[in-house]
Amino acid sequence: QKEVEQNSGPLSVPEGAIASLNCTYSDRGSQSFFWYRQYSGKSPELIMFIYSNGDKEDGRFTAQLNKASQYVSLLIRDSQPSDSATYLCAGNSGGYQKVTFGTGTKLQVIP
Amino acid sequence: NAGVTQTPKFQVLKTGQSMTLQCAQDMNHNSMYWYRQDPGMGLRLIYYSASEGTTDKGEVPNGYNVSRLNKREFSLRLESAAPSQTSVYFCASTNTGLFYGYTFGSGTRLTVV
Repeated sequence: QKEVEQNSGPLSVPEGAIASLNCTYSDRGSQSFFWYRQYSGKSPELIMFIYSNGDKEDGRFTAQLNKASQYVSLLIRDSQPSDSATYLCAGNSGGYQKVTFGTGTKLQVIP
Repeated sequence: NAGVTQTPKFQVLKTGQSMTLQCAQDMNHNSMYWYRQDPGMGLRLIYYSASEGTTDKGEVPNGYNVSRLNKREFSLRLESAAPSQTSVYFCASTNTGLFYGYTFGSGTRLTVV
């Protein structure tokens, strides 16, 4: 069992809708979580990080963390076709500044 | 700012050949990492270096060696390439202290035939 689990998708949403991406983790010792966006053939790009329970908003993106449920999510408001990518959830696990990645959820925003 | 630079971008090797993947960062980061990315497997940590002069194994170190040449450079060596090492390799770096996540290089797409 991977330490960070994501549904591989694809998740299809219409343009302008809210995309909800979810992630669960198994290591209760994980303290920080990250969402990366990866376009096909490109490297991962950090879009959000969250340390504390609750919500963290940055523009159209909101990260949510629930440590009791071991659950992390990313909401993308007003989804655009340019948001179509694979979104990687990651958590620090196994030691100092080491990060374990989920396998990613592919998001398709339909114009 | 170049960020994290990886070379080469593409490489084809024959089974048994050796090669070194190069990575350099210009952000004065202490920690550097090598990941491989395979379909359905996600990003898996091969080796990392928490600081200059130290290296440690990650999740999938077999068949690889690393060298932290100086603070800027962290290389990954395949001594005898195998088809199972066909993958996309990413180098990443991060600051110490408050951890805000990694900065990734553009990747090396390696095919072993």
